[in-house]
Amino acid sequence: NAGVTQTPKFQVLKTGQSMTLQCAQDMNHEYMSWYRQDPGMGLRLIHYSVGAGITDQGEVPNGYNVSRSTTEDFPLRLLSAAPSQTSVYFCASSYLAGTGGSLGYTFGSGTRLTVV
Amino acid sequence: AQKVTQAQTEISVVEKEDVTLDCVYETRDTTYYLFWYKQPPSGELVFLIRRNSFDEQNEISGRYSWNFQKSTSSFNFTITASQVVDSAVYFCALSEARGSQGNLIFGKGTKLSVKP
Repeated sequence: NAGVTQTPKFQVLKTGQSMTLQCAQDMNHEYMSWYRQDPGMGLRLIHYSVGAGITDQGEVPNGYNVSRSTTEDFPLRLLSAAPSQTSVYFCASSYLAGTGGSLGYTFGSGTRLTVV
Repeated sequence: AQKVTQAQTEISVVEKEDVTLDCVYETRDTTYYLFWYKQPPSGELVFLIRRNSFDEQNEISGRYSWNFQKSTSSFNFTITASQVVDSAVYFCALSEARGSQGNLIFGKGTKLSVKP
C-alpha cells in the first residue's frame, strides 16, 4: 500500500521559474491538502480539497495554484517561484468523519524546495 | 476560534527520564478530534494518536501515554523512560467537526532531544 506519494523529494528552482509538485494517494481519501513547513512557523495550510473538482484556499495560498480532477491526485503549482517559497512542502490526505472533521492525515514524505 | 498551543518550544532530557509534552487547544465546537504527530530528524510526519471529544479515556501504548482533559482543554503526551530514538519534533493538532472542512490546525511543535 503506497499511501501518499509525493514527488520530487528535492528541487532547486531559479526565481521566476514555474513547477508542479505532484501528490497522489491510493486510499480513496476525500480530503487532500498541501502544507508548507518553515523553521519556527510550524505547518501552514496552502490549499485543500474535500473532493474531486473542489478546492479552497488555506492560510498561505498566494503564489500557488491547485486542481483536483481526480480523487487520487492533487498537484501544487508554483506559478513564478520566489525565494520566499523556499520551504519543505507536505501533501496530506484523510478520510472525513461522517459528522465532519478529519480522522487524521496521512502525509507524503515531503519536498524540499529551494528557490535561488 | 480554533487554536493549538504547545508552549514548550524545546525540551532536553537524559535517556530514561520521563517527559511530558503539553498541548492546550481552543475550540467552540462540541465535536472535535485531537492528534499527535511525530517528526523525526529524517523529516517525515508520523501519526501517533487520534482522540475524539467524547472519549476522555486516557490511552497508553507502550512507553507512550496521552492524558485528555476537556476541563482544562489539554491533551498532554508523556513518554516514559525516554530513549534517544524519541528525539523528534512532536506536533499536536485539532480538527473540528463543523467549519474546519477537514483541515487540521497544528501547534508550532515541541522539539524533544533525548541525550544518552
